[in-house]
Amino acid sequence: NAGVTQTPKFRVLKTGQSMTLLCAQDMNHEYMYWYRQDPGMGLRLIHYSVGEGTTAKGEVPDGYNVSRLKKQNFLLGLESAAPSQTSVYFCASRLLAGEYYEQYFGPGTRLTVT
Amino acid sequence: KNEVEQSPQNLTAQEGEFITINCSYSVGISALHWLQQHPGGGIVSLFMLSSGKKKHGRLIATINIQEKHSSLHITASHPRDSAVYICAAPTYSGGGADGLTFGKGTHLIIQP
Repeated sequence: NAGVTQTPKFRVLKTGQSMTLLCAQDMNHEYMYWYRQDPGMGLRLIHYSVGEGTTAKGEVPDGYNVSRLKKQNFLLGLESAAPSQTSVYFCASRLLAGEYYEQYFGPGTRLTVT
Repeated sequence: KNEVEQSPQNLTAQEGEFITINCSYSVGISALHWLQQHPGGGIVSLFMLSSGKKKHGRLIATINIQEKHSSLHITASHPRDSAVYICAAPTYSGGGADGLTFGKGTHLIIQP
């Protein structure tokens, strides 16, 4: 049981390049999330999904797109990377909606855009 | 949107000291989460509590739902407790509690 995994762990992009971050979970969770973490800002929600085939915007969605074609995978895309997207990206998943369900986090992806 | 505030932002203490980290939130909730982020970056859930107190080893979390306040205590602190501690409150939409709003974290350093 691997939990939540993220690919890649590190990446350096030039401004304008595109890339896709992959999140995978093997816990049959319905909810999946993408966050970014910046110094002094805490975790901020980019997009989330409440089930296969669904996505919704979070607090900071601009410049990102997501897809959830399979229940176990949640992809985060950057179509044209900008230096402001330099950050650490975390994926998380949760079994169901509700206050009492724990979120499980992936190990993070450190992205630098030059 | 629930505003989650933590204090202090940074805390340095000596090994063995009793540590307290505070969290307050603006919107009434049924449960609050405490998480720990290790120096290597991994984030793990420590507690989820809806009332009173929970204890896990040397960590104790308390919550006062009416006052919208929670505290995380560490007894007999040790250098391995050095980490960022984050509190998080549920966010609500038409589908129910579908996410979390996070505080900015408290960066704790325990010196030997």
